[in-house]
Amino acid sequence: EVQLVQSGAEVKKPGESLNISCKGSGYDFPTYWIGWVRQMPGKGLEWVGIIYPGDSDTRYSPSFQGRVTISADKSVITAYLHLSSLEASDTAMYYCARQAIGDYWGQGTLVTVSS
Amino acid sequence: EVVMTQSPATLSVSPGERATLSCRASQSVSSNLAWFQQKPGQAPRLLIYGASTRATGIPARFSGSGSGTEFTLTISSLQSEDFAVYYCQQYNNWPRAFGQGTKVEV
Repeated sequence: EVQLVQSGAEVKKPGESLNISCKGSGYDFPTYWIGWVRQMPGKGLEWVGIIYPGDSDTRYSPSFQGRVTISADKSVITAYLHLSSLEASDTAMYYCARQAIGDYWGQGTLVTVSS
Repeated sequence: EVVMTQSPATLSVSPGERATLSCRASQSVSSNLAWFQQKPGQAPRLLIYGASTRATGIPARFSGSGSGTEFTLTISSLQSEDFAVYYCQQYNNWPRAFGQGTKVEV
């Protein structure tokens, strides 16, 4: 069974950095892109970026470029999202999803940024 | 970058009626278009990929059509469980992009 399991909820202060993880199982992890999607409270889906764990090819949304780093560790079948210089507006649910078509999604990680 | 525009923002329909949702791309995305359904408190669920292929386990009342820049998701006879928000996403170009969503309500 394919599963993507994300790390737990985070509470951060403005200016801090965020690291969340997404562990994939039940499929050949290196051969599928993993994407990250943000959803602010009551809003739509925002594409953040994506990684191909096989060779770590990575692409980012211009909206997050410079603040976001996506990485993956094949040995532990896990992808990571690092977001720096957090602001209150980064408060959101963050999802990982197996790409290209988004057939499997993680359960989401709720991130709250507040002073 | 490709901008995806969905219409209408909200669609009010009754159970048993047909619902037609539109998604337009600012430039061609070929058939690399997916549709997702999202219910409150849940992760999105893939309905359609390749513009017209139903994902595993998706009922036949959901159908997708289109290519290039114009796409349509049709729900032939709305069931109570279909009231949700629907998003399209292109996966032809970088960066990937979602539409802003269509809420299907009673």
